[in-house]
Amino acid sequence: GENVEQHPSTLSVQEGDSAVIKCTYSDSASNYFPWYKQELGKRPQLIIDIRSNVGEKKDQRIAVTLNKTAKHFSLHITETQPEDSAVYFCAASIGGSNYKLTFGKGTLLTVNP
Amino acid sequence: NAGVTQTPKFQVLKTGQSMTLQCAQDMNHNSMYWYRQDPGMGLRLIYYSASEGTTDKGEVPNGYNVSRLNKREFSLRLESAAPSQTSVYFCASSGLTGYSNQPQHFGDGTRLSIL
Repeated sequence: GENVEQHPSTLSVQEGDSAVIKCTYSDSASNYFPWYKQELGKRPQLIIDIRSNVGEKKDQRIAVTLNKTAKHFSLHITETQPEDSAVYFCAASIGGSNYKLTFGKGTLLTVNP
Repeated sequence: NAGVTQTPKFQVLKTGQSMTLQCAQDMNHNSMYWYRQDPGMGLRLIYYSASEGTTDKGEVPNGYNVSRLNKREFSLRLESAAPSQTSVYFCASSGLTGYSNQPQHFGDGTRLSIL
């Protein structure tokens, strides 16, 4: 089955700096890659996703890039703010009626004021 | 619009007891999922239901059973709870547009402790 590796497991940055979280996947058939943010004690919430026919997607301070050849994708957060502090999860899936996500183990991002 | 609703929010069980976790969604989604979340392990899929009437095992199905009661509801049952099943359980649902899967939406979770 699919295997998703996520790095780093913890990341500490100063407010205003950029943060980058990287994930690799094993199944070349995977074609959907969402990113979730989970604040302490809360539910995971989708922040951005990308499909395999797109190399990059941006939403305000958040961007995701996908390299299908290398089977890796990354989350970029610019101008970080304290409210960006949370655990971030990447995931990968093969689309279709039987789709299921395989998650990475998460990255704890701390933004220091 | 409530989205995905899970009950109960917290539960403490003794080893060997049984319990059913309930999940309902009001977004007319075809697919529903049960995950467990343990520290440092991310979200691991227990069971999923791609559509009403079907269920399939995920990565960690042992010790669990599921029922897709109708399109809205998907329950998870622990027949004989074990301390290793202490975890936070999340239910999620997603729709399908053509061949393009839509994002999974999560409930607030059930925090389950087994003594």
